[in-house]
Order: sequence, then structure tokens, then C-alpha cells
Amino acid sequence: NAGVMQNPRHLVRRRGQEARLRCSPMKGHSHVYWYRQLPEEGLKFMVYLQKENIIDESGMPKERFSAEFPKEGPSILRIQQVVRGDSAAYFCASSPPSGTRGNEQFFGPGTRLTVL
Amino acid sequence: SQKIEQNSEALNIQEGKTATLTCNYTNYSPAYLQWYRQDPGRGPVFLLLIRENEKEKRKERLKVTFDTTLKQSLFHITASQPADSATYLCALEGGSSNTGKLIFGQGTTLQVKP
Repeated sequence: NAGVMQNPRHLVRRRGQEARLRCSPMKGHSHVYWYRQLPEEGLKFMVYLQKENIIDESGMPKERFSAEFPKEGPSILRIQQVVRGDSAAYFCASSPPSGTRGNEQFFGPGTRLTVL
Repeated sequence: SQKIEQNSEALNIQEGKTATLTCNYTNYSPAYLQWYRQDPGRGPVFLLLIRENEKEKRKERLKVTFDTTLKQSLFHITASQPADSATYLCALEGGSSNTGKLIFGQGTTLQVKP
């Protein structure tokens, strides 16, 4: 049973370009969470999605960031017009559909975004 | 505002000793508290979950306590080994509008020396 998959593992973008980060949850998991880890800082929640729905986006920056989890295919975190401050590790986590509370989350290996 | 604090300084201990890591929080009433391990360049890995009505939980060499009055959790690794060297993250879950999202502390780095 494959774990949470993220790609690319490393992404380099120039300022003003777009970054697309992909996450495939564990098989059978329908809940996806995105977190961001800035250098020397802890993980910060960004967004929680279920298939075709954004449930909680309270941690998402108001501009340039968007996320989706379509009926088919991986979840996508999209950052438009990247700036240097977007450089960070972005982690995706999934949990089973048995309920969101009191469940461990399974994390992917992360995508390390570097903005030049 | 909600705040979670873990020892920012690295913890260095000798192999075989017990490591104790602390997680303190303010302005929060979590229903669950989780501990994760993170190795350099990797994603966090779940270790233990404890509920607000539980005082203590054990799993092999790991033990977690949860004191909702002190707003503190302690994480113990007994008979520590060099392979236990990693960063350990405390995460809170719960609240009135909880959606399962985790609020993480900044982590404590543990170094176990042979």
C-alpha cells in the first residue's frame, strides 16, 4: 500500500512564475491537508479538502494561493506569481474517511520550493 | 492568540537514558494531542495520540502524558538509542470548529549519543 505521494520533490521557480504542487493521498483516504514549513519554523496548516470540496482554508494566504482536490486525480496546490518568501517545504497529509477528528495524519515526503 | 511551545534548544542525551520532551500550550482547548517524529528532509511520521480525557498513553518505549489543567504534554523515550535522534513535533487538534487540522509546535531536536 503506497503512502502519500508528492511531486515534484524539488521545484525551482523564478519570481513571478507559477508553482504547481501535486499530492496523491493514500489509497482509500478522502481527506487531504496541506501544510507549509518555512526554514527554522514549525508546520503551519494551510487548507483541508475533501473530494471536490474545500472544507477549511483558514490558513491559506488570501492572494496567489489556491488548492483543489478533483473527483479524479491528485490534489493540487497552486501558487501564482511566486515570491522569494514562498520558498519553503510544502507537505501534504491524508487521513481516512472514518472521521476527521482523532485520526493520525499520514504525511508525504514534501515538495521543496525554491524561488530565485 | 493560540500558542504552542516546545523546547527550542536541542536535547542531547546519552544512549540508554530517558529523553523527556515538553509541549506547553495557551489559549487552546484541544480534544486530542499528537506527537510526530520528523527526520531531515522527510515528512512527519505519527507516533502517538492522546485524548483530553486520558492522562497517559504508552507504546513500546514511548510514553505520553497530557495534563489539561497545566496545559502541558510530556513525551518520554525510555532506553534511548542513537536511532531515536530526530525532531519531535507536538500537534494539537480540536476546538469548537475543528476540522481535524493540526496546530504544530516548532519541534524539539533530540540527539542521542552512543
